[in-house]
Amino acid sequence: DTAVSQTPKYLVTQMGNDKSIKCEQNLGHDTMYWYKQDSKKFLKIMFSYNNKELIINETVPNRFSPKSPDKAHLNLHINSLELGDSAVYFCASSPPAGTDGYTFGSGTRLTVV
Amino acid sequence: AQSVTQLGSHVSVSEGALVLLRCNYSSSVPPYLFWYVQYPNQGLQLLLKYTSAATLVKGINGFEAEFKKSETSFHLTKPSAHMSDAAEYFCAVRYSGNTGKLIFGQGTTLQVKP
Repeated sequence: DTAVSQTPKYLVTQMGNDKSIKCEQNLGHDTMYWYKQDSKKFLKIMFSYNNKELIINETVPNRFSPKSPDKAHLNLHINSLELGDSAVYFCASSPPAGTDGYTFGSGTRLTVV
Repeated sequence: AQSVTQLGSHVSVSEGALVLLRCNYSSSVPPYLFWYVQYPNQGLQLLLKYTSAATLVKGINGFEAEFKKSETSFHLTKPSAHMSDAAEYFCAVRYSGNTGKLIFGQGTTLQVKP
């Protein structure tokens, strides 16, 4: 069983479209995250939810909206996609703040054309 | 500001040679420190972590890292590089607090030459 699974793995779409990326974890972790990895491989946190409550909301355009229906799921919806949104998006989960690192999903490569 | 810096965006070693990837953090309070590896087109895998229990930390695949408070460093080493070690390596820092945000360094690409 995959610990943190994301779908889809690849997503190619046109500018202006709306798309969603789904994430599920079966580790029983309370906290989930979305990270964006740009073309230079830099990883930046976007959002974090702890048991369905938003706890981190970095400087991200409000076209990006996370939703957590339960603590095992964290989805990312993106409205009006732009070329600059092309990146790899990683979902991750962890126990509450402490000594453990994160467990990452395999990523979703989003290409906006 | 909380940050972590990886010196050298690209490191090239010969197979069998020592691997040394550098990481420095900025904080007066020792954080939790991690090294992750990312193979091409894959997610990030935890190599090892420092959580104040021991300054020399051993991880998977023969990697280890030493926490040096006086140098605010957490460099990653492996005595003998293998071709399969070629990947992107990320140092990351996590500070105590209710967000527990993991902050990544810029990454170092490790190339292993035959």
